[in-house]
Amino acid sequence: EVQLVESGGNLVKPGGFLRLSCAASGFTFSRYWMTWVRQAPGKGLEWVANIKEDGSEKYYVDSVKGRFTIFRDNADNSLFLRMTSLRVEDTAIYYCARDYRGWLEYWGQGTLVTVTS
Amino acid sequence: QSVLSQPPSTSGTPGQRVTISCSGSDSNIGTNIVNWYQQLPGTAPKLLIYDNYQRPSGVPDRFSGSKSGTSASLAISGLQSEDEADYYCAAWDGSLRSHLFGTGTKVSVL
Repeated sequence: EVQLVESGGNLVKPGGFLRLSCAASGFTFSRYWMTWVRQAPGKGLEWVANIKEDGSEKYYVDSVKGRFTIFRDNADNSLFLRMTSLRVEDTAIYYCARDYRGWLEYWGQGTLVTVTS
Repeated sequence: QSVLSQPPSTSGTPGQRVTISCSGSDSNIGTNIVNWYQQLPGTAPKLLIYDNYQRPSGVPDRFSGSKSGTSASLAISGLQSEDEADYYCAAWDGSLRSHLFGTGTKVSVL
């Protein structure tokens, strides 16, 4: 059974940093692109970033470029999102998802990031 | 960042058919596949339709997707109370090098 479990969400001040993790199981992690999607409270879904199977390609939404870094550890079946220079508008539930040929087949339950002074 | 446009809400009575539109442009829907996601209240999104019209295993055939030009549609026939949810279209945008989600449509069953 495919499982994605996010962790690392927390309350942080503007300008602060966090590292989110996503533990994957039930599939061969190294064979799939992986994606982070976020959802601000009461708002819609926003794609944040994705990363190729071997980590050689990464793409980001404009609003996080230069502040967030997506990376992965295939030996540990883990996906990460390093978030720096956090802003109030980064407050959201962050989901990791398995990306297959452009669609997000499986999603985790999400982890909440709250940026507030 | 551009988004794909959807109506904010739609509703129907049990058994009715409802459709949700998703409007994009040449760089996203016009040249790439469209996927649809269902988000039940308080839960993570779930893949509902992929590759324009394909249904993952377990998704009832009441749900159907289509695409024409720079627009796509999701239809729900035989509407049921458990279909009350938010629905999002999504597509890769080749110009932005970014994945786009639609603005989301809330479906209510009256």
